[in-house]
Amino acid sequence: AQSVSQHNHHVILSEAASLELGCNYSYGGTVNLFWYVQYPGQHLQLLLKYFSGDPLVKGIKGFEAEFIKSKFSFNLRKPSVQWSDTAEYFCAVKDDSGAGSYQLTFGKGTKLSVIP
Amino acid sequence: DTGVSQDPRHKITKRGQNVTFRCDPISEHNRLYWYRQTLGQGPEFLTYFQNEAQLEKSRLLSDRFSAERPKGSFSTLEIQRTEQGDSAMYLCASSMGLEANYGYTFGSGTRLTVV
Repeated sequence: AQSVSQHNHHVILSEAASLELGCNYSYGGTVNLFWYVQYPGQHLQLLLKYFSGDPLVKGIKGFEAEFIKSKFSFNLRKPSVQWSDTAEYFCAVKDDSGAGSYQLTFGKGTKLSVIP
Repeated sequence: DTGVSQDPRHKITKRGQNVTFRCDPISEHNRLYWYRQTLGQGPEFLTYFQNEAQLEKSRLLSDRFSAERPKGSFSTLEIQRTEQGDSAMYLCASSMGLEANYGYTFGSGTRLTVV
């Protein structure tokens, strides 16, 4: 079974600091990768996704993520965080091997607190 | 269309009671998913519908759980004989196939508390 590990449970940064959130997954086959964000009191929203092609993916609000297949990683980055980025961030993976599973497997999430 | 709607937003029930939740996906989305999220965890997959057909079920979906999508539009998730361990946020998501293009859109969830 797939699993997703997010290395940090809670990250605290000052505004303008750079952000990198780690995500590793266990599955060795073809995968689709996602980062979702959940702002306080809101529903999960898609930040960015990787399906194929350029391993450096750009998403909304200045976020980007890099897929490194050899490391089974899909880390999320932002060069300069803002207070409004305070939220919980979830990494998710979907098996795209053609075995027919449509489920996303999520990590436990990383809470980001940005201090003004 | 404002997105995926879930009703109710909150439900408090006594142990042993049955509960039913409703999900209205984005109207043109033919794929619908249910997930469960407990405190400190990411969402966990429960089940998947393509149109009215339930094509995938997780082992988490015990025989007390049943989901339907009778006309390929809205879906219901019923939990019979609720237990305290069922307390969680139940999330619905939908997509229009081709997740490469569209991704999954989540609703705000129904928070269930079993007392």
